[in-house]
Amino acid sequence: SQTIHQWPATLVQPVGSPLSLECTVEGTSNPNLYWYRQAAGRGLQLLFYSVGIGQISSEVPQNLSASRPQDRQFILSSKKLLLSDSGFYLCAWSPRNTEAFFGQGTRLTVV
Amino acid sequence: QKEVEQNSGPLSVPEGAIASLNCTYSDRVSQSFFWYRQYSGKSPELIMSIYSNGDKEDGRFTAQLNKASQYVSLLIRDSQPSDSATYLCAVRGGGADGLTFGKGTHLIIQP
Repeated sequence: SQTIHQWPATLVQPVGSPLSLECTVEGTSNPNLYWYRQAAGRGLQLLFYSVGIGQISSEVPQNLSASRPQDRQFILSSKKLLLSDSGFYLCAWSPRNTEAFFGQGTRLTVV
Repeated sequence: QKEVEQNSGPLSVPEGAIASLNCTYSDRVSQSFFWYRQYSGKSPELIMSIYSNGDKEDGRFTAQLNKASQYVSLLIRDSQPSDSATYLCAVRGGGADGLTFGKGTHLIIQP
């Protein structure tokens, strides 16, 4: 069966510090991968998606970036965090243009 | 821009009754429709998928889709306190660009 791992579960970072969140999927090949953010009082916002190694599409311009160095690995990064980057970050995978399955999420607080 | 609208609630339903959750979407070319359940502080969990007009039943859950009216609903029969959560409606078009989510309906099942 397929599983998705996301870490860390919680993170407190100062403004201006870098960020790296990692997500890996097991039990499947060539999945679509997604990064979403859920801010307080707002819905799930799609940040990035990837259909293959090195292929990244950005939905929202911001100071975040994503990379997919391996088929089942998806990384979300920032060089300098802003207060507005606080939120619940969720990695998800999809077999092929169908339903999405989420990791456990990372709650990021920028202070 | 794709939009998915849900009543934020809270929707309060007595234990054992039927809970009815509704969702409308703006993009007429949407092809896939999903309901997720999200407990406080946790990641969304897929509970129903529906792809064609009509009803789809799975245990106590029934999803209903009306593409002409751009309307999706979720019925929960014999509601239990453990059903208390936020229910997210999600819509996907034909591509790999992820699901568009509503902001969710907060459901409270009263014992």
